[in-house]
Amino acid sequence: GAGVSQSPRYKVAKRGQDVALRCDPISGHVSLFWYQQALGQGPEFLTYFQNEAQLDKSGLPSDRFFAERPEGSVSTLKIQRTQQEDSAVYLCASSLWPRQGARNEQYFGPGTRLTVT
Amino acid sequence: RKEVEQDPGPFNVPEGATVAFNCTYSNSASQSFFWYRQDCRKEPKLLMSVYSSGNEDGRFTAQLNRASQYISLLIRDSKLSDSATYLCVVKGGSQGNLIFGKGTKLSVKP
Repeated sequence: GAGVSQSPRYKVAKRGQDVALRCDPISGHVSLFWYQQALGQGPEFLTYFQNEAQLDKSGLPSDRFFAERPEGSVSTLKIQRTQQEDSAVYLCASSLWPRQGARNEQYFGPGTRLTVT
Repeated sequence: RKEVEQDPGPFNVPEGATVAFNCTYSNSASQSFFWYRQDCRKEPKLLMSVYSSGNEDGRFTAQLNRASQYISLLIRDSKLSDSATYLCVVKGGSQGNLIFGKGTKLSVKP
């Protein structure tokens, strides 16, 4: 079946540009998560949606980062005025959790590799 | 102290070897535990959930020790295709997000 998809797969932005990263979760998955992965590190949590509600955005590194999931399906992560330190892979994951019995096994998309020059 | 700590490796082992990875976590309220596998320049893929009683999936065995806040993964009869980074992952309390270790790199040689 279809997994999580993300687009674009690669994005090069000049410093100061705005970017928008898209995530299509697995159909029927209630929860959607965004993570940032720097080279040689594990993914770090950014933000979490349950349906259309953004329940946790404690991991967003600055107010330049904004995420939305207006209809409870597709989500967009927007980064305004990109900086070099934003260069990383941005991963989206979805899960059936917190549906009854679901253990929050998260399934990841292929990620968007963002390079800010 | 990081919330999830792993030995980064690399672990270089011959085919057929048994290898064990360990991981510790700091939040005693953590509820769910997982091992993910990540190949170079790919996304993390769920390898297995870790249950309190320990669980096995083919050549892979996971153990959880809540008292010591310790998780392990044992791989028997290593294959070349097992070469990857293994991420220890914890879901904390009522929060939905996963907390990842930095990963342990495994390289299986012929």
